[in-house]
Amino acid sequence: DQQVKQNSPSLSVQEGRISILNCDYTNSMFDYFLWYKKYPAEGPTFLISISSIKDKNEDGRFTVFLNKSAKHLSLHIVPSQPGDSAVYFCAARQASGTYKYIFGTGTRLKVLA
Amino acid sequence: DVKVTQSSRYLVKRTGEKVFLECVQDMDHENMFWYRQDPGLGLRLIYFSYDVKMKEKGDIPEGYSVSREKKERFSLILESASTNQTSMYLCASSPGMVETQYFGPGTRLLVL
Repeated sequence: DQQVKQNSPSLSVQEGRISILNCDYTNSMFDYFLWYKKYPAEGPTFLISISSIKDKNEDGRFTVFLNKSAKHLSLHIVPSQPGDSAVYFCAARQASGTYKYIFGTGTRLKVLA
Repeated sequence: DVKVTQSSRYLVKRTGEKVFLECVQDMDHENMFWYRQDPGLGLRLIYFSYDVKMKEKGDIPEGYSVSREKKERFSLILESASTNQTSMYLCASSPGMVETQYFGPGTRLLVL
């Protein structure tokens, strides 16, 4: 059973516009959420995170929003650039016993020049 | 910069072979992880280790084992490779369980 879901496998956006990547989760015990970016032939790299006690975190062009009541988070990239084209994974931390992270299935973002 | 290296980028093995995937990190991190990445399934945790000689099962440990004899090195072992273990294998490390993870470049394994 997939506890972290990214329902859009792919997304295409024009350069300069906003990219919105979505992630839904089912487990209310998750206390921390992260987004990773992955280029082909490379490992994922950390992008931005948010604690469950917050509803927004911003870092330059990247903003993550958390809606706990809807169990939904989203990553906004403004403005989108061709170098943002990658696969984006959301991950949630399960804070019970030893911590571990549950990853979503990923969304492939393509930013068109 | 944290560096996580994996011994091979590509591997081709036969069904039934014993396969070793090696991972080394150079930042003295306590925790190390092995994931596999498959299309439509994302990253799934196989095993993790929070200290030398300590290990815990992740979500899909069947058919795998691990070894952590030194802090910097975490090995994933496929005891008897099967075709359904064809996948991209990613190693990661973190300084603590609550910190972000740093990933290696991955090993693409093909089992024939």
